[in-house]
Amino acid sequence: GAVVSQHPSRVICKSGTSVKIECRSLDFQATTMFWYRQFPKQSLMLMATSNEGSKATYEQGVEKDKFLINHASLTLSTLTVTSAHPEDSSFYICSATKAGGTDTQYFGPGTRLTVL
Amino acid sequence: EDQVTQSPEALRLQEGESSSLNCSYTVSGLRGLFWYRQDPGKGPEFLFTLYSAGEEKEKERLKATLTKKESFLHITAPKPEDSATYLCAVLSSGTGGSYIPTFGRGTSLIVHP
Repeated sequence: GAVVSQHPSRVICKSGTSVKIECRSLDFQATTMFWYRQFPKQSLMLMATSNEGSKATYEQGVEKDKFLINHASLTLSTLTVTSAHPEDSSFYICSATKAGGTDTQYFGPGTRLTVL
Repeated sequence: EDQVTQSPEALRLQEGESSSLNCSYTVSGLRGLFWYRQDPGKGPEFLFTLYSAGEEKEKERLKATLTKKESFLHITAPKPEDSATYLCAVLSSGTGGSYIPTFGRGTSLIVHP
């Protein structure tokens, strides 16, 4: 299998606070993890790519100081939304590719962030 | 620049009414084409990876095929539980070894009982 989990599944926070989202590969080691954002009825928008032990690569237009990514191990990556504002409310999804495997990305269940 | 176009945007079928979803792509060398299913409020679920023209893969009522320009996801005798958004993504070899796929906007499928 290739199971990816995310925690929390839903989070509501006040404007100005920071929120951390965890992404874990449960039954495999992940070479690379990806973070996506998805708006209602739209496709996935890649935010950043991270490899274990190195700095994340951010897509154009994504603020790296606002969306902090840490890839601490081959099974864990975290996304921290700092000083969240209502416009950061969205569905955040992570994915991972298997170490030594194909390029197939396996996705987590997503995290719904609502900033009041 | 890699491009992926999925059609139709939305499809309504009666239970048992077979149909196909299309994914047209332009890439500078295909490394892989991926199909995913996404239910509302959930992350995409991996279905298939296709690597070369002529390749076919099947899973239950779903069959994915690949040509040099497009891929089809055939749904045979669909059931209401097949209702979901189906996403197509391509990975090209023309980006210096990049492993970032390009996603289509998806086809929203509704199967009525």
